Amino acid sequence: EAGVAQSPRYKIIEKRQSVAFWCNPISGHATLYWYQQILGQGPKLLIQFQNNGVVDDSQLPKDRFSAERLKGVDSTLKIQPAKLEDSAVYLCASGGGSSYNEQFFGPGTRLTVL
Amino acid sequence: GQQLNQSPQSMFIQEGEEVSMNCTSSSIFNTWLWYKQDPGEGPVLLIALYKAGELTSNGRLTAQFGITRKDSFLNISASIPSDVGIYFCAGRIIQGAQKLVFGQGTRLTINP
Repeated sequence: EAGVAQSPRYKIIEKRQSVAFWCNPISGHATLYWYQQILGQGPKLLIQFQNNGVVDDSQLPKDRFSAERLKGVDSTLKIQPAKLEDSAVYLCASGGGSSYNEQFFGPGTRLTVL
Repeated sequence: GQQLNQSPQSMFIQEGEEVSMNCTSSSIFNTWLWYKQDPGEGPVLLIALYKAGELTSNGRLTAQFGITRKDSFLNISASIPSDVGIYFCAGRIIQGAQKLVFGQGTRLTINP
């Protein structure tokens, strides 16, 4: 089966600019996650969706980060405005069906904020 | 918040040697997952553990879910060059939204 797709793979922006990342989960997976992975650290959950509803966004910096999954499939994560400390890899993962306890990750988007 | 302490942070070994790494926490988990991440890629699931005491193998990899539900270890036998990468443990907490919490990773380097 096709894996989790993410785009773009790389993005370089200046601070205070806006950026958006896109994720297409594995077909049939109801749960979608966005993680932030800072260099040298493990992934940190930003937001979890179940279908098109938010399950957990307790670690999402809501003053500048937003995410949506309007039709319960694709998802978009936006940062507006970006700060230097937002430089990281943004990973999307999905889970569901017989794999509901497991999470499968996409390749990530590497964001550099200058 | 929940924290996972993963050790060691890095390992430098010779090809063919056995590798062992572990994760501990003060919180109880109902699932332990072990991932490997190569440069420029997302983490890839290696082994999933669902019951306390469970011992599961995947080829040369063996992982165990600790009896206390607060720890897990991963062993790699007869290491080969393609084992190089960063290994992460992840635990799913029992209450709430059951999100995954990740360890800080173990960077494995193998000298041929």
